[in-house]
Amino acid sequence: ILNVEQSPQSLHVQEGDSTNFTCSFPSSNFYALHWYRWETAKSPEALFVMTLNGDEKKKGRISATLNTKEGYSYLYIKGSQPEDSATYLCAFRGTGGFKTIFGAGTRLFVKA
Amino acid sequence: DADVTQTPRNRITKTGKRIMLECSQTKGHDRMYWYRQDPGLGLRLIYYSFDVKDINKGEISDGYSVSRQAQAKFSLSLESAIPNQTALYFCATSSSSGAREQYFGPGTRLTVT
Repeated sequence: ILNVEQSPQSLHVQEGDSTNFTCSFPSSNFYALHWYRWETAKSPEALFVMTLNGDEKKKGRISATLNTKEGYSYLYIKGSQPEDSATYLCAFRGTGGFKTIFGAGTRLFVKA
Repeated sequence: DADVTQTPRNRITKTGKRIMLECSQTKGHDRMYWYRQDPGLGLRLIYYSFDVKDINKGEISDGYSVSRQAQAKFSLSLESAIPNQTALYFCATSSSSGAREQYFGPGTRLTVT
């Protein structure tokens, strides 16, 4: 059974704090790792797709790194703002067909 | 206009009733998916379709059926709804090439009483 774990489950920070959270996934049969941002009452939206070991992606204050050999990805938010409050989902896509497995998400609350 | 739409957005139904959730997309994608989301759990795949003639079960397909009426339409049916099917349901689409990120509809909140 393929497992994608995200930690922490939730996180409360103050505006201006930098934060990071983790996605762990199987280290074998890796094809791609996706990060999605999911705001309350909206649908998940793609942030990054990462395919190569050592990949680093950045969009504004949000960045992500990938380690396929050990099976983890970090998402970093620099200088958190209240509008960053959302659930951040990662999704592992394996080789040999379609299989995409979503983690349960990290729920981020940023207090002004 | 939204690229992926779902109807209805909210539905309350009684145990034993048949209900259909509909999904339409204008992205021209071949692949479509149905997920359910329960509190504390990730998105769990119910069914997916790679094209009109291709339907596949996901990890939690029991109690559900689907129909891919056209490339742009993928509907999910609950033949006889039960309370533990109360959840938030999402439809998604993706291309069959490239990054293959998924594009989600707005979700349908279904309550079975």
